[in-house]
Amino acid sequence: DSGVTQTPKHLITATGQRVTLRCSPRSGDLSVYWYQQSLDQGLQFLIQYYNGEERAKGNILERFSAQQFPDLHSELNLSSLELGDSALYFCASSVTGRETQYFGPGTRLLVL
Amino acid sequence: AQSVTQPDIHITVSEGASLELRCNYSYGATPYLFWYVQSPGQGLQLLLKYFSGDTLVQGIKGFEAEFKRSQSSFNLRKPSVHWSDAAEYFCAVVNNNDMRFGAGTRLTVKP
Repeated sequence: DSGVTQTPKHLITATGQRVTLRCSPRSGDLSVYWYQQSLDQGLQFLIQYYNGEERAKGNILERFSAQQFPDLHSELNLSSLELGDSALYFCASSVTGRETQYFGPGTRLLVL
Repeated sequence: AQSVTQPDIHITVSEGASLELRCNYSYGATPYLFWYVQSPGQGLQLLLKYFSGDTLVQGIKGFEAEFKRSQSSFNLRKPSVHWSDAAEYFCAVVNNNDMRFGAGTRLTVKP
């Protein structure tokens, strides 16, 4: 158990819908990262937050957004969902953002 | 462009045999280097990491990795593979907050 929690574990929704994925980092970690893992794209970095501020952006679509709240938990919002958004979404956390990331168990999203 | 390459998509070894998984990176400076393992349906677990110092690093589950600056490589090794090592292995590098993962190597262990 990495100490990073993600909810929900599974999510099934329809195209065009909007979902919110939630992540709670390890105690003491200030930085949160979001990743998407799919069969065709592999593991891709989406976005990083540090202490509530966006720090780095990867291959995140405009339909996706994230935020980190004062209690340091983070949410990833996915809107106007398409079939191709079906994937495993991982959250990871680290102390400051320059060292080891610890991964949560992931949220499996299925868009029908 | 910065990249991480794991040349082997799939490797099969017999239980008890030695293992080496390859990882090459292209970055200007020496990045932070990691190996993660992912079992089916699970998240990623850190095996080991290299930031600086001794270029041979020991990790969990009997794994080790060697950083070779001249070859821009960070290969993962294990002297004797166990059936429970069957999983997907990812090499990752971090440079200036930019974290990149390799495509992964799937390890199958034959009895």
